[in-house]
Amino acid sequence: DAKTTQPPSMDCAEGRAANLPCNHSTISGNEYVYWYRQIHSQGPQYIIHGLKNNETNEMASLIITEDRKSSTLILPHATLRDTAVYYCIVPSGGYQKVTFGTGTKLQVIP
Amino acid sequence: DSGVTQTPKHLITATGQRVTLRCSPRSGDLSVYWYQQSLDQGLQFLIQYYNGEERAKGNILERFSAQQFPDLHSELNLSSLELGDSALYFCASSGPKMGTGLPKLFFGSGTQLSVL
Repeated sequence: DAKTTQPPSMDCAEGRAANLPCNHSTISGNEYVYWYRQIHSQGPQYIIHGLKNNETNEMASLIITEDRKSSTLILPHATLRDTAVYYCIVPSGGYQKVTFGTGTKLQVIP
Repeated sequence: DSGVTQTPKHLITATGQRVTLRCSPRSGDLSVYWYQQSLDQGLQFLIQYYNGEERAKGNILERFSAQQFPDLHSELNLSSLELGDSALYFCASSGPKMGTGLPKLFFGSGTQLSVL
């Protein structure tokens, strides 16, 4: 699996866009980038995934650089309920080889 | 609600004891994954079952074992418990394949194990 690097923490003002970066410079051509989040001590929740094109769903947008070595998760209008730990992972062949790491702790500030 | 049910939510026990954590996957999901999350640590993969068969193993201790039953629920057995086994244990099941890439993981709310 490609190793990912995320900042340990970020703050974002409520109502503003939260941009969470992730580096995955060793990603292979057929590996997807996945984002999950964990609110407090709840079970993680899937957010979005992508290969090389930008993706958008009802929760977030995912921007992947052309060289695929990094990506950014965008929460367009952060709310207090978006305060969570966000994990960027690049599994290869299955989740069983993945350690979610410590992710980015996003604090949305009123 | 993810549809994955874990019981119990909290478990307090003593060193040397044995406990069983239970997981019911989402209806129709054949894969069950177990993860351990220690304080301030990331989620560590323990083991995966698919339709009753062990599919993959992570850094699971020999004192730990798991199984998946014909009704697809799974149990994680932890024995000879040590203080360091105190952690959140999550179960996840995987849903249908997303057109491309891996299927989504749906996590339960976890079992908080405290070994005193």
